[in-house]
Amino acid sequence: GAVVSQHPSRVICKSGTSVKIECRSLDFQATTMFWYRQFPKQSLMLMATSNEGSKATYEQGVEKDKFLINHASLTLSTLTVTSAHPEDSSFYICSASDRVGNQPQHFGDGTRLSIL
Amino acid sequence: GQNIDQPTEMTATEGAIVQINCTYQTSGFNGLFWYQQHAGEAPTFLSYNVLDGLEEKGRFSSFLSRSKGYSYLLLKELQMKDSASYLCAVRDWGRGSTLGRLYFGRGTQLTVWP
Repeated sequence: GAVVSQHPSRVICKSGTSVKIECRSLDFQATTMFWYRQFPKQSLMLMATSNEGSKATYEQGVEKDKFLINHASLTLSTLTVTSAHPEDSSFYICSASDRVGNQPQHFGDGTRLSIL
Repeated sequence: GQNIDQPTEMTATEGAIVQINCTYQTSGFNGLFWYQQHAGEAPTFLSYNVLDGLEEKGRFSSFLSRSKGYSYLLLKELQMKDSASYLCAVRDWGRGSTLGRLYFGRGTQLTVWP
């Protein structure tokens, strides 16, 4: 069964809306969670790394004020796309690892975000 | 960043064998992963190599040569459901890399014909 749960699976909303995506590890403690974005026919692009109890580390070019990440517990990380615009429409995927650097990452099912 | 290169597209017929190659350059190699991704879905883990050699798992096998910066994914007895994108990813612990992060190739779109 799934070891990482991501919710919601699909969001359609108006421009200017803020959208929160949740990522949960179901049967292990995830000290680190990763947030990716994937545009059609392109590979996964890492947006940020989320560490429990500390600030997220953002990749170059990713606006931290636009993509708010909170990792308040060992089983939950959230990504909030603030004031979303059509260009933010994409497939957002989270992944988690139970011991940093020692296990394969397990991915959530992804969230298809469509901004009208 | 890391240079991870894999072919963009491949085609094969049902029952055949296909090999998807991946080359990479890293400063602190700590494992190579292969993922399968169907359209509109998240990637699913296929295999992991950290030492040189072949790892076999059912119809799928993965090979690694660290000295050559090279890996391949071998798919045997192809089935229609194997049509998907196959992502090569490298874990790099070199300077400047976030601990545990993966660097992904662009993916190889495999189409299996009947």
